[in-house]
Amino acid sequence: NAGVTQTPKFRILKIGQSMTLQCAQDMNHNYMYWYRQDPGMGLKLIYYSVGAGITDKGEVPNGYNVSRSTTEDFPLRLELAAPSQTSVYFCASAYHWDRVNEQFFGPGTRLTVL
Amino acid sequence: AQSVSQHNHHVILSEAASLELGCNYSYGGTVNLFWYVQYPGQHLQLLLKYFSGDPLVKGIKGFEAEFIKSKFSFNLRKPSVQWSDTAEYFCAVGSQGNLIFGKGTKLSVKP
Repeated sequence: NAGVTQTPKFRILKIGQSMTLQCAQDMNHNYMYWYRQDPGMGLKLIYYSVGAGITDKGEVPNGYNVSRSTTEDFPLRLELAAPSQTSVYFCASAYHWDRVNEQFFGPGTRLTVL
Repeated sequence: AQSVSQHNHHVILSEAASLELGCNYSYGGTVNLFWYVQYPGQHLQLLLKYFSGDPLVKGIKGFEAEFIKSKFSFNLRKPSVQWSDTAEYFCAVGSQGNLIFGKGTKLSVKP
């Protein structure tokens, strides 16, 4: 299994540009998550999904959108990039309810908005 | 709101020193507890977890943690650190499907 994969690894955007961060998992996990990590701040939950077709906001959803059309994929969309969105983005997945909190993380995407 | 506090922002140790990183959480119900490690430039990896049972849990690479319910704590320990333990360590509390992370403790081990 490849586990959780993310593309791209790095990206530089100009203010106002849009992009999609890709996340895929091949473990048949039903739960998927997007976090952002800023220095000294830990990880903040942006959006999560409990299954295909179901998404919900986390702690810091503003400026982002997600979709979950398949179990495997959970892309994160930035519509109008702002410097405040400069961060490292991690996607994670988890299996079933009684182990839902054991999350497996992808390698991350480092995004810079200039 | 639930929260997780990690007491130390940056810990510097010499090799072979003992390590204890503090973690306290605010949620009073049933929780699952985790320590994740992030080596420089890498993603988070699970070190150990507590769901129920023996409050002293052992993880990978010689790490262990003790759940003390009365103190809402889940401190991470290692008797003798190595240079390769240099990393950032995150405590996390799981409840109702999501994880709440602490802000992390950066550990630097001097050879």
